[in-house]
Amino acid sequence: QTVVTQEPSFSVSPGGTVTLTCGLSSGSVSTDYYPSWYQQTPGQAPRTLIHSTNARSAGVPDRFSGSILGNKAALTITGAQADDESYYHCVLYMGGAIWVFGGGTKLTVL
Amino acid sequence: EVQLLESGGGLVQPGGSLRLSCAASGFTFGSYAMNWVRQAPGKGLEWVSLISGGSVRTSYADSVKGRFTISRDNSKNTLYLQMNSLRVDDTAVYFCAKGAVPATYFDLWGRGTLVSVSS
Repeated sequence: QTVVTQEPSFSVSPGGTVTLTCGLSSGSVSTDYYPSWYQQTPGQAPRTLIHSTNARSAGVPDRFSGSILGNKAALTITGAQADDESYYHCVLYMGGAIWVFGGGTKLTVL
Repeated sequence: EVQLLESGGGLVQPGGSLRLSCAASGFTFGSYAMNWVRQAPGKGLEWVSLISGGSVRTSYADSVKGRFTISRDNSKNTLYLQMNSLRVDDTAVYFCAKGAVPATYFDLWGRGTLVSVSS
């Protein structure tokens, strides 16, 4: 069974930089998994931030960026703002019209 | 306005059935794959099911295979999820999500509908 791993929680100071990661319990994440990232505040619909590893969705500020770091997908927030405090979810496309989400990361800005 | 609006959630007993709907507007519904994604209380997102634009292809997470059926009516711009043999661990907010092109990610989400399975 494929397990996608994310840090359960992370904190960043306002104006700081934080990198959240998305890995596999077995193996490495590559661009072939088309990693995508979603931001969600409680009670709200998820918002698409990054797709296909590093492509920003329309309207997403350029302080959000995606990449592959080592054997994981990564979401970097540069110059964190108070309203970036949210949950961040990554998902990997496993092929065959199957996706697996990670457990999500709760980001605190303080 | 481009939007997805889910409905049909509610309280159901274990073993029961429920049908969710997702009404789409603002885009050519039949041209895109659609998905259901759920989120159990306090948990992360879980992809549930996909259906292609023309309903030729469907796929399911192992956790719902054989119990849930995804379908769509392109004439009504509506996506459905028929959920049978419901279990307590099916309790979640169910989101519909539009597949992008290519359909490797989700580019539009609804606000979700809550399904509670409890005796």
